[in-house]
Amino acid sequence: SQTIHQWPATLVQPVGSPLSLECTVEGTSNPNLYWYRQAAGRGLQLLFYSVGIGQISSEVPQNLSASRPQDRQFILSSKKLLLSDSGFYLCAWSLRGNYGYTFGSGTRLTVV
Amino acid sequence: AQSVTQLGSHVSVSEGALVLLRCNYSSSVPPYLFWYVQYPNQGLQLLLKYTTGATLVKGINGFEAEFKKSETSFHLTKPSAHMSDAAEYFCAVSEDIGGGSYIPTFGRGTSLIVHP
Repeated sequence: SQTIHQWPATLVQPVGSPLSLECTVEGTSNPNLYWYRQAAGRGLQLLFYSVGIGQISSEVPQNLSASRPQDRQFILSSKKLLLSDSGFYLCAWSLRGNYGYTFGSGTRLTVV
Repeated sequence: AQSVTQLGSHVSVSEGALVLLRCNYSSSVPPYLFWYVQYPNQGLQLLLKYTTGATLVKGINGFEAEFKKSETSFHLTKPSAHMSDAAEYFCAVSEDIGGGSYIPTFGRGTSLIVHP
């Protein structure tokens, strides 16, 4: 069966520090991968999606970047965090076609 | 671009009462529609989905939703609320970006509160 792993679960980082959040999928190949951010009361904002290795599409200009170095690995990064980067970050995957999306358990990022 | 509107950021019901969470969408093509549930500090879990075929879709935990094209709606219902249903609910519509790939657009969510 397919599983998605996202870590860490919680993270407290100072302003100006770098960020690296990792997401991996097991049990499938060539998935579509997504990074979302969820701010309190604001729903889910799509940050990046990827349809293949090295293929990254950005939905919102911001202080973050994403990379897909391997088929089932999706990384969210920042060189210098801002206070406004705080939020709940969710990774998700889907297969080709429209069968729904499976989410990771999320990372709660607090920038102080 | 597609969009989703969830009416009411909070819905409060008594245990045993009917649950109705409203979702309206806009789409220029036949939509694929989803409902997800999120418990505190967790990821989203798929409740149900509509792709094609029967417009009344049954999901997990006793929830169901009906696709009404004429009303561009996909409301979520459950006949009798349980305390364990208290959570955040998200409606989503998928957009075709080509190559068999889709991107979901989510509504802002509705927080369901269940009173004893």
